[in-house]
Amino acid sequence: AQKITQTQPGMFVQEKEAVTLDCTYDTSDQSYGLFWYKQPSSGEMIFLIYQGSYDEQNATEGRYSLNFQKARKSANLVISASQLGDSAMYFCAMRDPLDTGANSKLTFGKGITLSVRP
Amino acid sequence: SQTIHQWPATLVQPVGSPLSLECTVEGTSNPNLYWYRQAAGRGLQLLFYSVGIGQISSEVPQNLSASRPQDRQFILSSKKLLLSDSGFYLCAWNVAGPYNEQFFGPGTRLTVL
Repeated sequence: AQKITQTQPGMFVQEKEAVTLDCTYDTSDQSYGLFWYKQPSSGEMIFLIYQGSYDEQNATEGRYSLNFQKARKSANLVISASQLGDSAMYFCAMRDPLDTGANSKLTFGKGITLSVRP
Repeated sequence: SQTIHQWPATLVQPVGSPLSLECTVEGTSNPNLYWYRQAAGRGLQLLFYSVGIGQISSEVPQNLSASRPQDRQFILSSKKLLLSDSGFYLCAWNVAGPYNEQFFGPGTRLTVL
C-alpha cells in the first residue's frame, strides 16, 4: 500500500519569504499522481497543485511550485512570497496507483501546520 | 460552476444515537463522490466512495454506512454512534479531467458525547 509521510513540526515563515513543506511517499508503482491541499481553519480542503509521476517538469501554479524528485520519492511544496492568508494546514496526498480513472482514491499524509508571521 | 454542500455544519450527538449527514453537489453530472473522516490534528481517512447511484464502496469496516439515492446526493449514516465516531467529516467529488483532483465540501464537525 502507498504511504505519505509529512514529518515536519509546525512551520513558521516570515511574510514575503519562501517556505518549503516536505513530503515523501512510498509506492512500488511507476504511475501515480501527487497532490497538495490547503486546509485553513475553516476546515475546507483546497486543491493547490498536482504532479504526475511521468511529468518531466515540476508543476507550478502561481506562487506554488512542486519540487519533485522521483528517485528520492519526494514531492515538496514551495510557497513563494508568503502571505498571511497562507497560514493553514497543508496536506500531501497520493492517488492510488491502481486507479487510472476518475474514481481515484487518495491517501493523505498527516499534514503540516504553517504559520506566516507579519 | 460547481458547488458542494454539506449539512449540518456542526453536530453534537449522544452515544448510541443515529446519524445522518448529507452532501449534495451542484453544477455537474455523474460525479464520483467520497466521504472522508479527519480526526483531530490528523490527515484524512477515506470511508466510502461512489461512482454512481446505488454504488457504494467501503474502505474501512465500521459502524457507518453510506448511500447514494440520487446522482448528486451522498449520505453518511449510522444506526448507533460510538465515541470514536467523533471527527470532521468531509465530502468530496470529482469527474474525469487532466488531474482528477477532488473538490471538497465545507465539512461537518461531529462530536459524540
